[in-house]
Amino acid sequence: ETGVTQTPRHLVMGMTNKKSLKCEQHLGHNAMYWYKQSAKKPLELMFVYNFKEQTENNSVPSRFSPECPNSSHLFLHLHTLQPEDSALYLCASSQGTGPDQPQHFGDGTRLSIL
Amino acid sequence: AQSVTQLGSHVSVSEGALVLLRCNYSSSVPPYLFWYAQYPNQGLQLLLKYTSAATLVKGINGFEAEFKKSETSFHLTKPSAHMSDAAEYFCAVGGSGSSASKIIFGSGTRLSIRP
Repeated sequence: ETGVTQTPRHLVMGMTNKKSLKCEQHLGHNAMYWYKQSAKKPLELMFVYNFKEQTENNSVPSRFSPECPNSSHLFLHLHTLQPEDSALYLCASSQGTGPDQPQHFGDGTRLSIL
Repeated sequence: AQSVTQLGSHVSVSEGALVLLRCNYSSSVPPYLFWYAQYPNQGLQLLLKYTSAATLVKGINGFEAEFKKSETSFHLTKPSAHMSDAAEYFCAVGGSGSSASKIIFGSGTRLSIRP
């Protein structure tokens, strides 16, 4: 496989469920990102990891819990979500975290909260 | 602080016509600029990147963009639109200072192609 792979592609869950989103990159990159994309809103950066260490948390509610066990894998653990959390969640990776580093995106997980 | 503004949330062109998507940036330092496309049910795909090596940047799928410092613009063009170009397009600028690890995205322009 090549690029950035996200699973599952679609997820429907109730507000009391616990689920996890998975992201894997096959590009040899060192940095990984989670974004939230909602309809009619700009792309929102949630978390940044560089060499497995979290370097950014953009005031994301604690019901979203990221995990980065190594530079190739990134998870987003979800619990007690709200209806407004329904969105497309995108994972991205880049070689480094400098401003000249383009990010490579997965196809996202479409999350629907019942 | 870095920012980008995309002019026009929706652009519609006929197949074979010129595509022009507008982006203006604001940056306190020489900017790194990007254009991404998001095709239906997919993530963002990098089309091209400006890193000050040349003002005219050629990207994938026939797209190109010209960096104009005097106009603080980085507009995306394609000479002849194809139906497969229908997508959402995002202009982006690399962050600076404490935001250097971020790419700041514009709000997007949806491109529709008329047969």
